[in-house]
Amino acid sequence: NAGVTQTPKFQVLKTGQSMTLQCAQDMNHNSMYWYRQDPGMGLRLIYYSASEGTTDKGEVPNGYNVSRLNKREFSLRLESAAPSQTSVYFCASSEALDTPNYGYTFGSGTRLTVV
Amino acid sequence: AQSVAQPEDQVNVAEGNPLTVKCTYSVSGNPYLFWYVQYPNRGLQFLLKYITGDNLVKGSYGFEAEFNKSQTSFHLKKPSALVSDSALYFCAVRDIQGTGRRALTFGSGTRLQVQP
Repeated sequence: NAGVTQTPKFQVLKTGQSMTLQCAQDMNHNSMYWYRQDPGMGLRLIYYSASEGTTDKGEVPNGYNVSRLNKREFSLRLESAAPSQTSVYFCASSEALDTPNYGYTFGSGTRLTVV
Repeated sequence: AQSVAQPEDQVNVAEGNPLTVKCTYSVSGNPYLFWYVQYPNRGLQFLLKYITGDNLVKGSYGFEAEFNKSQTSFHLKKPSALVSDSALYFCAVRDIQGTGRRALTFGSGTRLQVQP
């Protein structure tokens, strides 16, 4: 099925370790996003890529880096994990704002625990 | 700047009764408004959206939402709740002019519990 694929689904890291969360979409969407979900705080934007070759900081970018590898793939890297980064991470993609089908398609999420 | 408020952490309703999940927003221009639903251990699924046109928007699973510009609200409604509607609901907004951060801003979510 067409959609957004995130890997891994679960991960446990020790404080200070690094890892990369992978995201790929097969809908030919221009824009891709990374959000984190924490209880009572909804979804907060970490980074986004409005189009291939561009990335921008969101609301909570500290401690993260991203790479828009190509139009399909948008990865999120934690260079030195901290317990405060324990969260569920969602990747999403969308068409451009001025298209009729504008709206997000979400991946199934990555549950990350930092101990 | 754009923002969304969902004033209720949880809404409880009996099966068969109407339900309302509240959402208010703030944007500098005109809004794109969305509702998404999240079932346990799943990603978010699109329910409905308002861009322009009729203030009453109909979406998936019998849900609808009413856009009220004067009250800056976009409440989610359903005439008759089902137990299977129990889930976490998110309202989201983006400024239609596309200024500032070019992404949706989400509310904190409202947990809907439908009792049999």
